Amino acid sequence: AQTVTQSQPEMSVQEAETVTLSCTYDTSESNYYLFWYKQPPSRQMILVIRQEAYKQQNATENRFSVNFQKAAKSFSLKISDSQLGDTAMYFCAFMKHQGGAQKLVFGQGTRLTINP
Amino acid sequence: DGGITQSPKYLFRKEGQNVTLSCEQNLNHDAMYWYRQDPGQGLRLIYYSQIVNDFQKGDIAEGYSVSREKKESFPLTVTSAQKNPTAFYLCASSINPGTGGHYGYTFGSGTRLTVV
Repeated sequence: AQTVTQSQPEMSVQEAETVTLSCTYDTSESNYYLFWYKQPPSRQMILVIRQEAYKQQNATENRFSVNFQKAAKSFSLKISDSQLGDTAMYFCAFMKHQGGAQKLVFGQGTRLTINP
Repeated sequence: DGGITQSPKYLFRKEGQNVTLSCEQNLNHDAMYWYRQDPGQGLRLIYYSQIVNDFQKGDIAEGYSVSREKKESFPLTVTSAQKNPTAFYLCASSINPGTGGHYGYTFGSGTRLTVV
């Protein structure tokens, strides 16, 4: 069964610093998709970034980038020049295919606090 | 604007009652999902549906039921058989993978259910 592990329950950094959130996953599939979602205090789930496993290049979205290490099954999120609005729960997720359906499996989340 | 609407935002249930959470989307997405979120845990899949009039159990389906009579709607009923229903419930939708999309989910804003 696919599992997703986020080993950092909480993290805290100062505004403008860079922070990296860790995520590892376990799968026997060769082609899959990985995601980072952000859940601010409003509890709305917001897609931050997406990575296709067959692509070697790490995905980047403005201040957000990933370090995707397929062999190590690692998918960390780096937030550069952190802002107060980045304060949120961050969930790593793995998309698996089962019976023709695509299902997201989530890690337990990392609570990130950006301090002024 | 296209999106997913969940209602109500807050819901209170008495012991022994069934309650229904509403989820409506106007994104023309084929697949819809229900997740449960508890403190300190990630999102866990309750039910999902790929097409109208068809749905499958997720990882924690016991005590829940769903219907998919229309493409736009995927209501979740929390029955009296669910022993610990107090949680935050999130509905999501996605493009059918057969059309080539693996772009994750679009989420609603959630319903907070409390047993009183």
